Formats: sequence, C-alpha cells, structure tokens
Amino acid sequence: SQTIHQWPATLVQPVGSPLSLECTVEGTSNPNLYWYRQAAGRGLQLLFYSVGIGQISSEVPQNLSASRPQDRQFILSSKKLLLSDSGFYLCAWNTGDGNQPQHFGDGTRLSIL
Amino acid sequence: LAKTTQPISMDSYEGQEVNITCSHNNIATNDYITWYQQFPSQGPRFIIQGYKTKVTNEVASLFIPADRKSSTLSLPRVSLSDTAVYYCLVGGSDSNYQLIWGAGTKLIIKP
Repeated sequence: SQTIHQWPATLVQPVGSPLSLECTVEGTSNPNLYWYRQAAGRGLQLLFYSVGIGQISSEVPQNLSASRPQDRQFILSSKKLLLSDSGFYLCAWNTGDGNQPQHFGDGTRLSIL
Repeated sequence: LAKTTQPISMDSYEGQEVNITCSHNNIATNDYITWYQQFPSQGPRFIIQGYKTKVTNEVASLFIPADRKSSTLSLPRVSLSDTAVYYCLVGGSDSNYQLIWGAGTKLIIKP
C-alpha cells in the first residue's frame, strides 16, 4: 500500500533562520507531489506542485522554494524565514491527472518566533 | 478555476443523517467533485468523488444533480467522531493541478 511520510511534526524556528521540510512517498512511482500551507481556520493554499523529478511549479510568490531530487521525495525550503511563514504545512500526492484524489501527510506545524 | 461555496458550520446529533451542500456554478465539463474530511492537526482525508448522479461508498453518499452546479455530501448515522471540517473541491480536469480550497464546513456532532 502507499504511504506518505512528512517530518518533523512540529518545528519552532527563529525569524531569519533556514527551513527544510521533507516529504517522501512509498508504494507508488512517478506521483504528483504537492506542498500546501494552511492558516488557522482556513482552507489549504497550494504552494508548489511537481509532476516529475526536477519539475516544480510555484503557485504563490514568496520566500519559499521546493525541490524534487528523487521521484518520491519533495522538499520545501527557505533561506530566511519570516513571521508570516508560520502555519501548518501539508504534503500530498496523487497519480494521473488533477482529478485524482490527493493523499495527505500528517503535516508540520511551523511556528516562527 | 471553479470556486465552491459551502456553509461555514453545521450542527447535528449522533445517529442523524447529515447533508452538506456545496455550490459550484462554474464547474467545467470535465471536472470531478471531491470531498475531503479534516480533523485538527491532521491532513485532509479523501471521502468520496463523483462526476454526476449518485455515488456511494462505505462511509458516505454523494448526490450530484444533472446541471452539476451543486453537490450534496450525505453522512448516514453520524457519530461524535464525525466532528471535523469537510471540504468540497472541484477542478483538475484540464491538467491544471491547482485546486482552490475554501474554508470548508465545520461539522459539530453533539451527543
């Protein structure tokens, strides 16, 4: 069966520090991968998606970046975190076209101090 | 991109059937309708997906009228554990992977 792993579960970082969140998927090949951010009480905001290794599409201009060094690995990074980067970050995957249901990790709660 | 409109919140009681309706007036011809459930501090979980008419699985039913401008998620005999936020999503048919997530419907089940 397919599984998705996302870590860490919680993270507290000072303003201006770097960030690296990792997401890996097992049990499938060539998945579409997504990074979302969710503010408290709000819906999910798509940050990045990838349909293949090295292929990254950015949806929201910001100081975050994403990379896909391997088929089932998706990394969210920042060189310098801002207070506004606080939130709940979710990684998801699906296969096929955009209609297919997405499967989510358990998320990372990021707090910027 | 299609947009959806859902009630912000709903209350019900254990054992009742709950229906949550979503409006999507601008749904594209090839778009599917997908519903997710989210508990606090967890990622959303896929519940059900449909294109037209009625779809039923082990946890829910999805009713879609002929014009497809709305859909209704039906949860039979809810329990306290069904308290969660429910999201209605449409889109993704045009190879555009951008799905717009609204704020969802916060469903509270009371004993």
